[in-house]
Amino acid sequence: DGGITQSPKYLFRKEGQNVTLSCEQNLNHDAMYWYRQDPGQGLRLIYYSQIVNDFQKGDIAEGYSVSREKKESFPLTVTSAQKNPTAFYLCASGYRGLGGKLFFGSGTQLSVL
Amino acid sequence: AQTVTQSQPEMSVQEAETVTLSCTYDTSESDYYLFWYKQPPSRQMILVIRQEAYKQQNATENRFSVNFQKAAKSFSLKISDSQLGDAAMYFCAYRSRDGGATNKLIFGTGTLLAVQP
Repeated sequence: DGGITQSPKYLFRKEGQNVTLSCEQNLNHDAMYWYRQDPGQGLRLIYYSQIVNDFQKGDIAEGYSVSREKKESFPLTVTSAQKNPTAFYLCASGYRGLGGKLFFGSGTQLSVL
Repeated sequence: AQTVTQSQPEMSVQEAETVTLSCTYDTSESDYYLFWYKQPPSRQMILVIRQEAYKQQNATENRFSVNFQKAAKSFSLKISDSQLGDAAMYFCAYRSRDGGATNKLIFGTGTLLAVQP
């Protein structure tokens, strides 16, 4: 089945630790996105990528990093510089340019120990 | 920069009744897309309906329809014959239609819909 797979479903971070959230898609989409969801604040864009080996900062990129070495994969690293990482993280993919809708993964809940 | 506002944090509807969720947006662009996404307790984001700004006709998907008022920058979602499975958080979202755009969605803060049996 085609879709977007996020893992793990739940993740815990210790103080000063970097953690990586996985996002894989087999939809052959060019563009991939990471959103952060906090209660009462909707979804905010962290990073996005329209093509392999290229990505751009979204509205809240500080404390996060990404890579796009393969079309299918867009992992997000939450670094120790992100002082408030507890949130629900959603990965999405879509067609580059005009048209198309975004498809979302099932999300990762990150909590701080 | 574009913004999306959902002024109703919570709404409630009786099963089989109709409910309307409000959304307003701000943009200087003339061509764009508007979306309603549903997020049930599973937290999976599900696309409910999409509207293209250049189209006059309001989009409809089964029991879901929109009232798109371009001049007023308003995009409300009407759910008819509400069902228990409609209970969810609903997000309004905006995306530019510019050829150089990134397809990134700008979301409102959501409306939590409860359906009473």
